[in-house]
Amino acid sequence: NAGVTQTPKFQVLKTGQSMTLQCAQDMNHEYMSWYRQDPGMGLRLIHYSVGAGITDQGEVPNGYNVSRSTTEDFPLRLLSAAPSQTSVYFCASSDRPDGNEQFFGPGTRLTVL
Amino acid sequence: EDQVTQSPEALRLQEGESSSLNCSYTVSGLRGLFWYRQDPGKGPEFLFTLYSAGEEKEKERLKATLTKKESFLHITAPKPEDSATYLCAGTTSGTYKYIFGTGTRLKVLA
Repeated sequence: NAGVTQTPKFQVLKTGQSMTLQCAQDMNHEYMSWYRQDPGMGLRLIHYSVGAGITDQGEVPNGYNVSRSTTEDFPLRLLSAAPSQTSVYFCASSDRPDGNEQFFGPGTRLTVL
Repeated sequence: EDQVTQSPEALRLQEGESSSLNCSYTVSGLRGLFWYRQDPGKGPEFLFTLYSAGEEKEKERLKATLTKKESFLHITAPKPEDSATYLCAGTTSGTYKYIFGTGTRLKVLA
């Protein structure tokens, strides 16, 4: 099992550019989520999904879009990048959405100039 | 508002010097309390889940406990390889959102 994989590992964007952060898991988990981690702020939930075709907003959803067409994949889209979106992004998955541990990917470090 | 607060922000210990990390929570209808370890440049790694007050779990030099208002991560005779950031998170019944604290950065000196 590869677990949770994320690509790319590093990315530099210019303000206004768009991009998609990829996340995939091979554990057949129903629950997947995206977080951003900033110094002194901890992990903040951006969007989450409890199954294919079902997504919802977390604490900081503005500027980000998600979709979940398959159980395995949960991409995060930045439509028009802003410097405030400079952060480390983590994807996670869990076999139950309401109280089981999450498995995290290795993260994507994004810099927006 | 649901909140998870961790203290201290940073902790330096000598090898073998036991201590505890604190995670206090104001989460209505707590479903689970989680502890993770995060090494620099990596994603968080799961350590423990606690579901009810009085519950305890152990793993090597780590023991996690839970009361109705807080959780403690006790580190007994730590080693330099225990140096990491320790994160606490909670989930509530009926929602699918994990609320994380800001973490405690632990440094164990040889």
